[in-house]
Amino acid sequence: DIVMTQGALPNPVPSGESVSITCRSSKSLLYSDGKTYLNWYLQRPGQSPQLLIYWMSTRASGVSDRFSGSGSGTDFTLKISGVEAEDVGVYYCQQGLEFPRTFGSGTKLEIK
Amino acid sequence: EVQLVESGGGLVQPGRSLKLSCAASGFTFSDYYMAWVRQAPTKGLEWVASISYDGGSTYYRDSVKGRFTISRDNAKSSLYLQMDSLRSEDTATYYCTTQTHWGQGVMVTVSS
Repeated sequence: DIVMTQGALPNPVPSGESVSITCRSSKSLLYSDGKTYLNWYLQRPGQSPQLLIYWMSTRASGVSDRFSGSGSGTDFTLKISGVEAEDVGVYYCQQGLEFPRTFGSGTKLEIK
Repeated sequence: EVQLVESGGGLVQPGRSLKLSCAASGFTFSDYYMAWVRQAPTKGLEWVASISYDGGSTYYRDSVKGRFTISRDNAKSSLYLQMDSLRSEDTATYYCTTQTHWGQGVMVTVSS
């Protein structure tokens, strides 16, 4: 199984600051079609997860352009430019290359 | 508006069965792979099973193989998860998801 490893944030983060959340996969997620099968989700407190980014860097419909995804085949970053109160929650990376699908353990974002 | 509405959760004794349902609307159901993802209390997201567009291919995490069965009825725009031989470690909120869209989740508690 592909193991997804996420980094932590130095919580709480001051409002307006930019943060980067890291994720590493144990296997390259770059497929032969040229796409990298890495998704980012945000789960706000008490809510269902929400897809933010797919194919490593494509924003899902309706997602603020403050969120951006980047990376290589195995190392990924979700950047939030200017955190806001509504960004509070747990961020998960997930690989969509193989079954079983696997998630990172989550990165919690708190804002002060 | 896309909606995914899960039902069928509840309290069940170890070893017993439960069937979850997910009613989809607002999109062409047969155009999407579907999945069940669960979240144990205070824990992270865990992929459970996926099913292809026509139901011809199914995939499971090892811990539920042979106990859980994912299925779909495209005519009814519905997804199902038959859960047999339930264990305490299956206790979680179960989400129906296209990856882009998520239901509100349904709680399953396995306890004597």
